[in-house]
Amino acid sequence: KQEVTQIPAALSVPEGENLVLNCSFTDSAIYNLQWFRQDPGKGLTSLLLIQSSQREQTSGRLNASLDKSSGRSTLYIAASQPGDSATYLCAATPQPNAGGTSYGKLTFGQGTILTVHP
Amino acid sequence: DAEITQSPRHKITETGRQVTLACHQTWNHNNMFWYRQDLGHGLRLIHYSYGVQDTNKGEVSDGYSVSRSNTEDLPLTLESAASSQTSVYFCASRATGIDTQYFGPGTRLTVL
Repeated sequence: KQEVTQIPAALSVPEGENLVLNCSFTDSAIYNLQWFRQDPGKGLTSLLLIQSSQREQTSGRLNASLDKSSGRSTLYIAASQPGDSATYLCAATPQPNAGGTSYGKLTFGQGTILTVHP
Repeated sequence: DAEITQSPRHKITETGRQVTLACHQTWNHNNMFWYRQDLGHGLRLIHYSYGVQDTNKGEVSDGYSVSRSNTEDLPLTLESAASSQTSVYFCASRATGIDTQYFGPGTRLTVL
């Protein structure tokens, strides 16, 4: 059974800092790894998706890396801003099975609560 | 614009009552999912559907059921609500062949 862990559980940084959020998973047979952002009282917004064949993906100030062999992914946020304050979740998707019943079945970590203070 | 909506956004009910949470998406996505989010557990998959008349159990399906009579809707029913089902429920959808899932705003359910 896949287990996804995120460290740290909470992080508070001053504006302008570069920071790294960590995600680890126990089963390396993943199809992709996704990072989401969740604002208080809101749903999840997809930030980056890394296919199992890729090493990293970038979007603006965000860069996500994937190392399947070690079961790790990191989300790097450059030049953090107060608007980046939110909960960040990673989620792993398993490889498609023969019956086709594994598509889109995300296993989530518990999230990292990020606070960026001015 | 296409979207995914959930209703109600907040609900308080009593133990033993049947409750149905609605999820509606206008993207014409075949794949739909229900998750619950609890402190200390993150999001966990309850049920999912790959198309009309298709439903599958997820990790925490006991006490829940879904039905898929059309592409747009996947209602989640709590047969007999229990206090352990107090949670925030999220619906999500995904197009076949596309990996990104789109989440609704969530329903906060309290079972007293």
